[in-house]
Amino acid sequence: KNQVEQSPQSLIILEGKNCTLQCNYTVSPFSNLRWYKQDTGRGPVSLTIMTFSENTKSNGRYTATLDADTKQSSLHITASQLSDSASYICVVSVLTGANNLFFGTGTRLTVIP
Amino acid sequence: GAGVSQSPSNKVTEKGKDVELRCDPISGHTALYWYRQSLGQGLEFLIYFQGNSAPDKSGLPSDRFSAERTGGSVSTLTIQRTQQEDSAVYLCASSIGLAKTDTQYFGPGTRLTVL
Repeated sequence: KNQVEQSPQSLIILEGKNCTLQCNYTVSPFSNLRWYKQDTGRGPVSLTIMTFSENTKSNGRYTATLDADTKQSSLHITASQLSDSASYICVVSVLTGANNLFFGTGTRLTVIP
Repeated sequence: GAGVSQSPSNKVTEKGKDVELRCDPISGHTALYWYRQSLGQGLEFLIYFQGNSAPDKSGLPSDRFSAERTGGSVSTLTIQRTQQEDSAVYLCASSIGLAKTDTQYFGPGTRLTVL
């Protein structure tokens, strides 16, 4: 069964601190992996996308890593800001089939002053 | 520019009633998706449309769910005889095409509550 698992489920950090969110997947055949940010009451917004051959990708203070061998990804947030408070969703795409996106349940990040 | 819009933003209905949810995709996007997001669950694929092709309905949970996309643009998701387990946020997304790297842009969702 194709699965995407994220950890931790929730996280509270102080403003200015760094944090790392984890995503493990069993999806196959792998196409790409995205991290989305979902603010409360809003739709998810894509932060990064990585294909099989990419190990790391940055978007401002967000840096995603991918280890396709171990099927693990992480999202590192540097110097967190209050506006980073949101759910972060890992989404893995497979090469075959029309329903080719598999969503994790997300990590709920709260940044406190 | 305008993103994906959905209406209504919130819908409260009684069990057994029919509801219609609307999605306006980004202009020029040929692919349109409907997802359901239940509390504490990941997004669940429902249906997608691509251009004039027949929609992929493989994710619809029952025959009470149906969707249309008129003129290749606006889409309506209809839930007939609503049940309490239908309560969720229904998200619509559009993408320029179906390439694996095409980004899906999501609307804000419609929060459906079935009493």
